[in-house]
Amino acid sequence: KAGVTQTPRYLIKTRGQQVTLSCSPISGHRSVSWYQQTPGQGLQFLFEYFSETQRNKGNFPGRFSGRQFSNSRSEMNVSTLELGDSALYLCASSPRDSKNSPLHFGNGTRLTVT
Amino acid sequence: TQLLEQSPQFLSIQEGENLTVYCNSSSVFSSLQWYRQEPGEGPVLLVTVVTGGEVKKLKRLTFQFGDARKDSSLHITAAQPGDTGLYLCAGVWVVDTGNQFYFGTGTSLTVIP
Repeated sequence: KAGVTQTPRYLIKTRGQQVTLSCSPISGHRSVSWYQQTPGQGLQFLFEYFSETQRNKGNFPGRFSGRQFSNSRSEMNVSTLELGDSALYLCASSPRDSKNSPLHFGNGTRLTVT
Repeated sequence: TQLLEQSPQFLSIQEGENLTVYCNSSSVFSSLQWYRQEPGEGPVLLVTVVTGGEVKKLKRLTFQFGDARKDSSLHITAAQPGDTGLYLCAGVWVVDTGNQFYFGTGTSLTVIP
């Protein structure tokens, strides 16, 4: 079974631009979550989508948005990029809602804002 | 403030040594998960502990969930260079809007051959 796929692996953007990241979850997984990982803050939760609906949202500004399609693939968009948005963005999918359900992570998109 | 605090933040040890990583919180969780992340990759689940006081062993790794389901520890016996990586604990809350995961600050482990 294919794992979680994130594209692209690397991105370099300049301040003020916008960016779209893509995530394909494991087949059959309906929950997709996005995390931002930085050395100083660790893994910070952005949002979670389930059956095309945003179900939970972290404490990030409105410049960060996402969506999920009917095939469970998800995209994350960041508008008006700032230097502080440089980070590894991780997508994770999960099969069900139970205390034993793990997160299956992709290998991330490394975003550098200059 | 972080919901889950891990200690130590960094650990560098010689091959063959033992070590323990701690994950502490003032909150009660439905379960707690441990992940390991290697450079250039996403975190990979090592174990899920569900019951207070539960101990799980995975080869040389021993995981324990606190009696009150607020904290956990990871003990590695006879560490090997292949154990090098970032270890993350994650507290899980099962709520009506789905599972909520709160990750610890991480412990970066380097095992020197």
